[in-house]
Amino acid sequence: DADVTQTPRNRITKTGKRIMLECSQTKGHDRMYWYRQDPGLGLRLIYYSFDVKDINKGEISDGYSVSRQAQAKFSLSLESAIPNQTALYFCATSDYRPGGSTYNEQFFGPGTRLTVL
Amino acid sequence: GIQVEQSPPDLILQEGANSTLRCNFSDSVNNLQWFHQNPWGQLINLFYIPSGTKQNGRLSATTVATERYSLLYISSSQTTDSGVYFCAVRLSGAGSYQLTFGKGTKLSVIP
Repeated sequence: DADVTQTPRNRITKTGKRIMLECSQTKGHDRMYWYRQDPGLGLRLIYYSFDVKDINKGEISDGYSVSRQAQAKFSLSLESAIPNQTALYFCATSDYRPGGSTYNEQFFGPGTRLTVL
Repeated sequence: GIQVEQSPPDLILQEGANSTLRCNFSDSVNNLQWFHQNPWGQLINLFYIPSGTKQNGRLSATTVATERYSLLYISSSQTTDSGVYFCAVRLSGAGSYQLTFGKGTKLSVIP
């Protein structure tokens, strides 16, 4: 089973609709992230969370909101989708405990391909 | 912010050839990762290598943090190596948590 899962994997919606993308992880990591990727570019950070009470804006948070429902779940919402939010969205996790074998390394989910018409 | 430059932007190889991909970054980092994005869009972790050298099968990577660059070596390339290779770094220091990605190297391996 995948350690980081995202639902849905593909979504087509219309301008003005509210959309929620969900991310779950079984890695036991405390830190979770949402990134978006536009064609021909690398990923850019939207929001990140260090625990259920700690939410922080990333580089491109305008037009998005997030919810950390539990340590293992982190959701991204587009309150009123617009066409330039068409992109590939990735959730990621990392372990904060220094000395661990995967400390500081980020692991990515399979991505959600979102199209806003 | 930190700048990450990858070269070359595009690379076409004959199956069986070797290649070297380069990542230059503009500031001190405490995390450097290499990823392979396959044609289905999935990001696959290749290496977590803020410094030193690592090898995994036909792939190896070297990061020289003091000179602010990293190299990814692919030997005996196969068609399944095709895709985009990303380098991503995290700036050293408190308050820095995001990975900054380069624009990638698109690799095409032809039979």
